[in-house]
Amino acid sequence: GIQVEQSPPDLILQEGANSTLRCNFSDSVNNLQWFHQNPWGQLINLFYIPSGTKQNGRLSATTVATERYSLLYISSSQTTDSGVYFCAVDYHRGSTLGRLYFGRGTQLTVWP
Amino acid sequence: DAMVIQNPRYQVTQFGKPVTLSCSQTLNHNVMYWYQQKSSQAPKLLFHYYDKDFNNEADTPDNFQSRRPNTSFCFLDIRSPGLGDAAMYLCATSQQRSGAMGEQFFGPGTRLTVL
Repeated sequence: GIQVEQSPPDLILQEGANSTLRCNFSDSVNNLQWFHQNPWGQLINLFYIPSGTKQNGRLSATTVATERYSLLYISSSQTTDSGVYFCAVDYHRGSTLGRLYFGRGTQLTVWP
Repeated sequence: DAMVIQNPRYQVTQFGKPVTLSCSQTLNHNVMYWYQQKSSQAPKLLFHYYDKDFNNEADTPDNFQSRRPNTSFCFLDIRSPGLGDAAMYLCATSQQRSGAMGEQFFGPGTRLTVL
């Protein structure tokens, strides 16, 4: 199978600070998604990003597929950014059906 | 808005009493997934349907079954819930095209409590 590692596991910030979350994966993947899990448990789609850079407001993501990593940038953090951020990769070897493999997540806490 | 809907949002059942969780989607995606997520862990894939083809993960207990009567609906049946089955159950969908999986979208989840 594939290994998906996220760092750091925990991050505590003051409101207004910037942060970078990292996702490393051990094999070539077809695609990569970043999710934010809110306190109620819902997984919110942030980015669907097999390669390159995308931006959405204060968030941006970069995936360097050839080096097997992705970065999620959060600028000017707000308390509503708190929650768990998951990276998940679409990986299928020996199967035509895609599925996601999740990292363990980064728990972000933003204090006012 | 197109979405993935799960009912109920909270379910309480008794040890050993069968329970069914439901998921529906308005995205018209051909793949539907069921995940189990326990506290402080990543979601764990239980099984998924590609159209009507059922794909079970090797480590999914036999206690968990699923049905997909049509494109829009998918059900998770837990035949004899144990205390260890208390978790959040997440349904997701994606569109599979020519061997490529599209973006996966999740429902709000059903939190299952087993007494």
